[in-house]
Amino acid sequence: AQSVTQLDSQVPVFEEAPVELRCNYSSSVSVYLFWYVQYPNQGLQLLLKYLSGSTLVKSINGFEAEFNKSQTSFHLRKPSVHISDTAEYFCAVNNNAGNMLTFGGGTRLMVKP
Amino acid sequence: SQTIHQWPATLVQPVGSPLSLECTVEGTSNPNLYWYRQAAGRGLQLLFYSVGIGQISSEVPQNLSASRPQDRQFILSSKKLLLSDSGFYLCAWSVNRFTEAFFGQGTRLTVV
Repeated sequence: AQSVTQLDSQVPVFEEAPVELRCNYSSSVSVYLFWYVQYPNQGLQLLLKYLSGSTLVKSINGFEAEFNKSQTSFHLRKPSVHISDTAEYFCAVNNNAGNMLTFGGGTRLMVKP
Repeated sequence: SQTIHQWPATLVQPVGSPLSLECTVEGTSNPNLYWYRQAAGRGLQLLFYSVGIGQISSEVPQNLSASRPQDRQFILSSKKLLLSDSGFYLCAWSVNRFTEAFFGQGTRLTVV
């Protein structure tokens, strides 16, 4: 079985400050990892994904995440956040055994002016 | 390009009434289809998934059912709603069960 843990349910941060949203997973086989963002009353949008290759993946709006196999982590980072980054962020894992996409409990990022 | 449509966006229903939420996908064939529920302040719970027409798998026992009458149509139903059925329902699709899923805009269901 696989699982995802997002340790922080809420992360408050001031505008232009750096942020890290933590994600740890467990799986007995090779994994595929994803970050999704959800704005209020909307569906989830894929932010970035790791399937293979370079362990550092980046999104078009400045977020990046690094796959760390030894620490079973896939933390999301941004060096300088904007008010518009305020949203719920979900980490998700799938694997090459074909288990269903499994989501973490979400982290609410609150960017303050 | 592929798009996913989900409706209605909001719905208020009395306890004991029936439910039908519809989801359609365009621009792809034979997608995997999913229904998730998101309770207030909580993560996503997979309710049903389908790998083909008429093939439905349920992840949790509940008051809801799902059907897939056409390749790109997925319907979530209930004969009699309960208060506990309130939540945000999300439809999603993927190319296969290994890859990322793409989500609709969701339906906010309030059972009163």
